[in-house]
Amino acid sequence: AQTVTQSQPEMSVQEAETVTLSCTYDTSESDYYLFWYKQPPSRQMILVIRQEAYKQQNATENRFSVNFQKAAKSFSLKISDSQLGDAAMYFCAYKIGGGSNYKLTFGKGTLLTVNP
Amino acid sequence: NAGVTQTPKFRILKIGQSMTLQCAQDMNHNYMYWYRQDPGMGLKLIYYSVGAGITDKGEVPNGYNVSRSTTEDFPLRLELAAPSQTSVYFCASSYSSGSGKETQYFGPGTRLLVL
Repeated sequence: AQTVTQSQPEMSVQEAETVTLSCTYDTSESDYYLFWYKQPPSRQMILVIRQEAYKQQNATENRFSVNFQKAAKSFSLKISDSQLGDAAMYFCAYKIGGGSNYKLTFGKGTLLTVNP
Repeated sequence: NAGVTQTPKFRILKIGQSMTLQCAQDMNHNYMYWYRQDPGMGLKLIYYSVGAGITDKGEVPNGYNVSRSTTEDFPLRLELAAPSQTSVYFCASSYSSGSGKETQYFGPGTRLLVL
């Protein structure tokens, strides 16, 4: 069974600094996708970034980037120039590829605090 | 586009009562999902649907029922509510072209308290 582990229950960062959130996963599949979702106090789940396992290039979205290490099964999220609005719970998620696969497996989350 | 909408935002139920959580999406997505999120945990899949008239169980389906009569709507029914169903419920949708690379988009959630 696939598992997703986020080893940092809580992290904090100073405004304008950089922070990295860790995620590891366990799978025997070769075709899969990885996601980072942000859940602010409003509780809505917001997609931050997505990575296809077959792509060697790390995904980036403005201030958010990932370090995808396929052999190590590691998928960390880097937030640059942290802003107060980045404060939220961050979830790492995994999905097997293929047309009949739908299930997202989530980690337990990392609560990010941004200090002014 | 409103995206994925859910009603109500918050509800208190007594043990044994029933209710329906509403979910609608206006993105013409074929796939829809219901998740629950317990305190300190990630989301777990309750039910999903790959199209109108087609539904299937996820990881934690017991105590719930779903139907999908239209592409847009995917209501979740709780029969005989129990304290263990106290949770935050998220509806999500995605468009699948058969490649498996679709991204799920989530609604704002419904907080349910069963007393």
